[in-house]
Amino acid sequence: SQKIEQNSEALNIQEGKTATLTCNYTNYSPAYLQWYRQDPGRGPVFLLLIRENEKEKRKERLKVTFDTTLKQSLFHITASQPADSATYLCALFTGGGNKLTFGTGTQLKVEL
Amino acid sequence: DGGITQSPKYLFRKEGQNVTLSCEQNLNHDAMYWYRQDPGQGLRLIYYSQIVNDFQKGDIAEGYSVSREKKESFPLTVTSAQKNPTAFYLCASSRNDGKSNYGYTFGSGTRLTVV
Repeated sequence: SQKIEQNSEALNIQEGKTATLTCNYTNYSPAYLQWYRQDPGRGPVFLLLIRENEKEKRKERLKVTFDTTLKQSLFHITASQPADSATYLCALFTGGGNKLTFGTGTQLKVEL
Repeated sequence: DGGITQSPKYLFRKEGQNVTLSCEQNLNHDAMYWYRQDPGQGLRLIYYSQIVNDFQKGDIAEGYSVSREKKESFPLTVTSAQKNPTAFYLCASSRNDGKSNYGYTFGSGTRLTVV
């Protein structure tokens, strides 16, 4: 069966450290992968898109890698801040059209 | 500013009632989507529409209905046939240029509770 797996346990890190979140998928061959941020009681907000032919994508303090051999994407936040605390979702384009399938998300807590 | 507006923010439904959740966007996006979010299960696709007057079932369409009479609007009706409707409902839109280069824009959600 097709799965998108993110660590369900919350990730707690100290302010200033680099947070690394993992997204693994099975039985998909996505051309694109996206990362979103979701705050409690709010809709997800799009952060980054990475294509299958891109190994790495950066945006300010964010970095995403995409390894189609390992079927894995890593999402990094450098110099993390308490304001980065949120749930981060990965999503793949699956099937026809622009349909996105989401992982369950990983909650990040950045402590002072 | 462009965006997606969902209303109401909170909705209470009695068992056996149909309720309609509103979703309006002024982003000129062709595609619109409805997702349901339950704790620990992530977002699950209910229905999506890539163009006006056309829509397709997602992974969990049973007990729901939609319409897409205008580009800006994609209302979701939760019918009495939906066995467990209590959830957080999210509407989203995106460009539909076939290149999948853009992320979705989400609304702020409607929390539906059956009382």
